[in-house]
Amino acid sequence: DAGITQSPRHKVTETGTPVTLRCHQTENHRYMYWYRQDPGHGLRLIHYSYGVKDTDKGEVSDGYSVSRSKTEDFLLTLESATSSQTSVYFCAISESDGESYTFGSGTRLTVV
Amino acid sequence: GQNIDQPTEMTATEGAIVQINCTYQTSGFNGLFWYQQHAGEAPTFLSYNVLDGLEEKGRFSSFLSRSKGYSYLLLKELQMKDSASYLCAVRDFKAAGNKLTFGGGTRVLVKP
Repeated sequence: DAGITQSPRHKVTETGTPVTLRCHQTENHRYMYWYRQDPGHGLRLIHYSYGVKDTDKGEVSDGYSVSRSKTEDFLLTLESATSSQTSVYFCAISESDGESYTFGSGTRLTVV
Repeated sequence: GQNIDQPTEMTATEGAIVQINCTYQTSGFNGLFWYQQHAGEAPTFLSYNVLDGLEEKGRFSSFLSRSKGYSYLLLKELQMKDSASYLCAVRDFKAAGNKLTFGGGTRVLVKP
């Protein structure tokens, strides 16, 4: 019954390769977010979306791009993965009133 | 920008009470959230405060003082399953996208 799913759950990739992570929601929420979580840094915002084709940068956006071609999907792309992008990536969704934010189960990405 | 501080780690005994403090600095406060995150899992919503005062939900309570830039999460009658990280997050109405900024999280260890 999860309203938000992330895929893949785990991925190992080589330095320099492109990687795309997918976030899919069934809640029809307007806002979607990509965060990364690293020890000692908590959750840091990478990019967010406030509607179809409307996206903006977060605090750690370098090396990442996003796309949102329909309400339910928000894609995060690492154009050329680096070891510093090894992390756990969480997608989140929220309604317009912003009183509820729901997180996906996360994607553990390892860049070797 | 925003600055959110919370202790890194706390230890408490089963059945006891623990209070996790969070201080923040923001130019346009619009809500403070507390999330619980067990190791290897997604953050889950605990509480939301936008007005001063105490919000109680069963064993968990959250307090907010906007004038002091201060919140705390109170966990009563601690259980072993409460061992987790607790994340404080703030929303700024001046920031587009309803996005949350997180503190580094407080890891709580409950001992028998």
